[in-house]
Amino acid sequence: QVQLQESGPGLVKPSETLSLTCTVSGAYISEYYWGWVRRPPGKGLEWIGYIHYNGLINHNPSLTTRLTISLDTSKNQFSLKLTSVTAADTAIYYCAKFRAYSLPGYNYNYHSMDVWGQGTTVTVSS
Amino acid sequence: DIVVTQSPLSLPVSPGEPASISCRSSQSLIHRNGYTYLDWYLQKPGQSPQLLIYMGFNRASGVPDRFSGSGSGTDFSLKISRVEAEDVGVYYCMQTLQTRTFGQGTKVEIK
Repeated sequence: QVQLQESGPGLVKPSETLSLTCTVSGAYISEYYWGWVRRPPGKGLEWIGYIHYNGLINHNPSLTTRLTISLDTSKNQFSLKLTSVTAADTAIYYCAKFRAYSLPGYNYNYHSMDVWGQGTTVTVSS
Repeated sequence: DIVVTQSPLSLPVSPGEPASISCRSSQSLIHRNGYTYLDWYLQKPGQSPQLLIYMGFNRASGVPDRFSGSGSGTDFSLKISRVEAEDVGVYYCMQTLQTRTFGQGTKVEIK
């Protein structure tokens, strides 16, 4: 059974860097796509980005200049770093695993987020 | 950027009654491979989101068959044939054709 657990500071000061880690159990980090989603208070879900061991990375265009997503295969973890944070980055942050669905006739797959962490609350405030 | 718009934003439903949520995109979500690049997720109160439907109409593992996805091009819908109390929460569609974008969410509650 695959389980994901987010960890990191719950409080970050404005203009500083938000750093979160997602620890994966029950699956190898090298085998799937891994992603991040957040939900600001009172708002809906917002896509952040995903990463794969083969180097493929996808970012929300609105976050690209501040965002880094990386993998640590030795620890079976993946991480998110968001620089120059403001109050608008206050949210519950979720990490997620992608499941690959085959597309008959094609040599690539379709990916959806099938396992999620419980989420971690990050508040940006001085 | 692809914009995804859901309606209604709030949906009170009586138990046992059907429910339908609309999701419209600013451009077609049909990939050149012919497949639909749209997922549906449900976030129940106090829980993490869960995958309901992938590629427009395929139910994810363990999802009851009262949930169904349909549509084509830019117009899609999620239907619940008979709403149960456990179905309350916020439903999101998400386009996966160009990066990913969630709709605003539709809050389903029991009357």
